[in-house]
Amino acid sequence: KQEVTQIPAALSVPEGENLVLNCSFTDSAIYNLQWFRQDPGKGLTSLLLIQSSQREQTSGRLNASLDKSSGRSTLYIAASQPGDSATYLCAVNSNSGYALNFGKGTSLLVTP
Amino acid sequence: EAGVVQSPRYKIIEKKQPVAFWCNPISGHNTLYWYLQNLGQGPELLIRYENEEAVDDSQLPKDRFSAERLKGVDSTLKIQPAELGDSAVYLCASSLGAGPSYEQYFGPGTRLTVT
Repeated sequence: KQEVTQIPAALSVPEGENLVLNCSFTDSAIYNLQWFRQDPGKGLTSLLLIQSSQREQTSGRLNASLDKSSGRSTLYIAASQPGDSATYLCAVNSNSGYALNFGKGTSLLVTP
Repeated sequence: EAGVVQSPRYKIIEKKQPVAFWCNPISGHNTLYWYLQNLGQGPELLIRYENEEAVDDSQLPKDRFSAERLKGVDSTLKIQPAELGDSAVYLCASSLGAGPSYEQYFGPGTRLTVT
């Protein structure tokens, strides 16, 4: 069974800092990996989706990388802002699966 | 285009009472998912529908949970009777088709509190 781990569980940084969130998975036979954002009391907003053949994806201040062979992905947030405060979830879609396998998330707080 | 719609957004009930959640997927999306998200955890799949057929309900606790997707559009998830441990967020998602090549889109969720 695919296990997805996210480190750290929580992170607090001052505004303007660059930061990295980590995601690891146990089975490298993945189809794609997705990073989501979840605000309190809200659903999931897709941030970036990386196909297994890709190494990275970028959207604005966000950059996600994927190293499938080592079972790792990182989400890099540049010049963090208080509005980035949320929980960030990593989810893996396996080659033979239909459901996303999620990590527990990293709770991010960016202080002014 | 409207996203995935869920109602109610919040529900508070006493244990042993029944409760139902409703989901309207994105128009044209044949595949519908119900996920359960416990506090501090990532979502986990409860059931997946392709059109009106439940093709994966292996994680659905069938003693108290039931679901239906009449006419292959809207879906209802029911719990009867509810237990304290059912307090969680219930997320609905939909995708154009089945399989990992189809991106899933999530609704806002229903937060259930059982007292």
